[in-house]
Amino acid sequence: DTGVSQNPRHKITKRGQNVTFRCDPISEHNRLYWYRQTLGQGPEFLTYFQNEAQLEKSRLLSDRFSAERPKGSFSTLEIQRTEQGDSAMYLCASSYSPGQDLYFSYNSPLHFGNGTRLTVT
Amino acid sequence: KNEVEQSPQNLTAQEGEFITINCSYSVGISALHWLQQHPGGGIVSLFMLSSGKKKHGRLIATINIQEKHSSLHITASHPRDSAVYICAVIGMDSNYQLIWGAGTKLIIKP
Repeated sequence: DTGVSQNPRHKITKRGQNVTFRCDPISEHNRLYWYRQTLGQGPEFLTYFQNEAQLEKSRLLSDRFSAERPKGSFSTLEIQRTEQGDSAMYLCASSYSPGQDLYFSYNSPLHFGNGTRLTVT
Repeated sequence: KNEVEQSPQNLTAQEGEFITINCSYSVGISALHWLQQHPGGGIVSLFMLSSGKKKHGRLIATINIQEKHSSLHITASHPRDSAVYICAVIGMDSNYQLIWGAGTKLIIKP
């Protein structure tokens, strides 16, 4: 399977614990995105990487959230001191865009992973 | 008023019917996505459009940039097409911040 892979599929944790999710994008994709989706809502943007550089982070993302993409391949999203409001589906997507310009006009399709469903009890 | 509006919100049809889902947007865009989300959450990108028309199997997507409108059509619908179909646009000044429609929940009855 050469699609976007996310692990784990499900995570149940107690409030206050730290959790880490992993996303393996399609190998030739240089862009990686994290989104969060709560029930009945559309996905909301969390953060975005171009290769290993984290180029944008949503104002919605508190300091308890951190994401890395150390070698420009897989990415991890960590949530520290989880709260019940963090319960959601965390989606990863990847795409390819040639060129260095952030606003390059070419947009490749987004490929989504199946998500990690987090439940904080 | 939402920047991306879809209609209808819910659609139930019989197997074999021709399905149309509409998307209107009010912002300048560089591209528009049609996405499919099944129960359980998995999202699949169906099409990305910046102009004209694309076809993949029984799915057809069209976009009219001047009218800021896109449609997704399903021919010979089948129960396995039952899902939520989402229209999302990429604004002219951003290529990561997708603006999502509310989705259209489609149920195809056998």
